[in-house]
This record gives sequence, structure tokens and C-alpha cells, in this order.
Amino acid sequence: EPEVTQTPSHQVTQMGQEVILRCVPISNHLYFYWYRQILGQKVEFLVSFYNNEISEKSEIFDDQFSVERPDGSNFTLKIRSTKLEDSAMYFCASYGYTFGSGTRLTVV
Amino acid sequence: QKEVEQNSGPLSVPEGAIASLNCTYSDRGSQSFFWYRQYSGKSPELIMFIYSNGDKEDGRFTAQLNKASQYVSLLIRDSQPSDSATYLCAATGYSSASKIIFGSGTRLSIRP
Repeated sequence: EPEVTQTPSHQVTQMGQEVILRCVPISNHLYFYWYRQILGQKVEFLVSFYNNEISEKSEIFDDQFSVERPDGSNFTLKIRSTKLEDSAMYFCASYGYTFGSGTRLTVV
Repeated sequence: QKEVEQNSGPLSVPEGAIASLNCTYSDRGSQSFFWYRQYSGKSPELIMFIYSNGDKEDGRFTAQLNKASQYVSLLIRDSQPSDSATYLCAATGYSSASKIIFGSGTRLSIRP
């Protein structure tokens, strides 16, 4: 069964540093999403991406966040200056609502 | 603020019995509804989705949707210990089909 692949599985970074989370969505899918889940809390929508543009974003997705599709397969989420409260699991999903295995981001 | 509400549980059900999980949503225009299973430390795994009023069955799972009551449920027949997980209800919005709003999940425990 097709999978959504995310790397790295775990990232530890210092506060204020930039991180890039990577996702390889299911091929031929056109809609891509990023969600996050703070430990013990609900899954929260961050942003959706269609046809190489942001389709919709949440209030959480402020100026420190950006998304790109740098080539035909990868889909990235960049956090420019990480804060302690950015520590969470970050999930990529592609159309069909299939989630990747996630990246655990720990900001210290 | 559009919300999806679930009882947090835990819901304890004996092995072999039917587990019933419930969810309500506030956006009357929501179009599609999803049930995900999430094991601790893992990503949500789609069990099934439903967008028409009534029942939809897939193996041991049945999703039920009542748009008039803004209510979605998931029945798990012949519950197994491996069904012990957190079950997430989610919905797309009328104004936005491009994102899913999740409930906080119900913890289900199947006791042998």
C-alpha cells in the first residue's frame, strides 16, 4: 500500500534555530497537508498545499512557518526560529487523508 | 470556532463485545467525516470515512452518520485487545474541504 514517508523521525534542535521537516507524499496526489500534535493534545491542522500553492492555513501557521515543494516529490515544512512550544509531533498527509509516520520535534 | 467533540474516556469493553464510540460536530455544513485509530506514539491511521447519512460497514467496523443531529459514531464488533487505542473523530468543513478538524479522541481499552 502506498505510504507517506517523513524524515527525520526525531529532530532535536535548540531554541531559535531553523528546522526543515521533510515529507514524500503518495505519488500522483495533488493535495498535501501538515498537522501537528502536541503531546497529550489533539491533532491540529497547520496548512494545506495544492498545485504548488498554499490552499489554506490555520492561525498557528504564522510567519515563522513556510512550506515548499522544492522538487516533484518532496514536500517540506520549515520553522524559521523554533520556540519551546513548537515541540510536537508533525505529520504530513496527502489527499486520501493518509498520514505519514511523523517527525517528533523537540526544542530545547 | 468549528469543533468536533468526543468523550475522552477511557472506555473499557470486554473482549468480543461491541465498542461504541461517539462524536458530535458543530459545523452543520461539514461534508465528510473520518475515524482514525492512533496507538500511543504513532500517527493516526484512517479506519474509514463517511459522507452520506446512514451506516457504512467495513469488516468489523461500522460508521454511522446523522447529519440532522450532527452526530457520528463508530461501532467495533468482536472487539480485540489490539483494538485498544485512541480513536479520533474528524470532519471537513463546509467552507473548507481542504482541512480536517479533529476531536480530542476517545481512549478505548479492550479487557481480556
